[in-house]
Amino acid sequence: QKEVEQDPGPLSVPEGAIVSLNCTYSNSAFQYFMWYRQYSRKGPELLMYTYSSGNKEDGRFTAQVDKSSKYISLFIRDSQPSDSATYLCAMSGSNTDKLIFGTGTRLQVFP
Amino acid sequence: DTEVTQTPKHLVMGMTNKKSLKCEQHMGHRAMYWYKQKAKKPPELMFVYSYEKLSINESVPSRFSPECPNSSLLNLHLHALQPEDSALYLCASSQGFGGVSYEQYFGPGTRLTVT
Repeated sequence: QKEVEQDPGPLSVPEGAIVSLNCTYSNSAFQYFMWYRQYSRKGPELLMYTYSSGNKEDGRFTAQVDKSSKYISLFIRDSQPSDSATYLCAMSGSNTDKLIFGTGTRLQVFP
Repeated sequence: DTEVTQTPKHLVMGMTNKKSLKCEQHMGHRAMYWYKQKAKKPPELMFVYSYEKLSINESVPSRFSPECPNSSLLNLHLHALQPEDSALYLCASSQGFGGVSYEQYFGPGTRLTVT
């Protein structure tokens, strides 16, 4: 079993839809959770960063962490074609510089 | 400013060449990273420098040689690469172990092709 599991997609939605992206993990030591957006042939861009459990909102993006279920989510409201990209979840523990990535979910938002 | 810069953007090299990738950040971050990313795969960690010292080497072949001349700069020296080493090479930085947060910021990457 991988430490971090993420559905690779692709996920195809119409413009304006609410998108839900998810990751599950097995290591209970993880405390820091990140979501990255990566456009084709570009570097990953940090979207959201959450420490421990709870919700965090930034514009159209909401990140949720449920440590009891070892489950994290990223919601995108009012999705736009410009949101079409690969979304990577990543997480780490408190005593390491090492990030563990999910495999990434490819999202396509069509007009 | 959360910018990490990388040069060159693209690099084509033969298997007998020696070349270097460069990375720079001016965020005062004390940890810097090299990742390798193949198409449709997540970034794969290669090296971590923490406070200018190599802290993690993920069993990377010796044809890849990292160097951290100072806290803002990170180099990756390449020698005798194989065609399977063709990939996007990403640099990242963070406040580092013991810092306030663990967010890693990535550069745009160098697309390397080995012929």
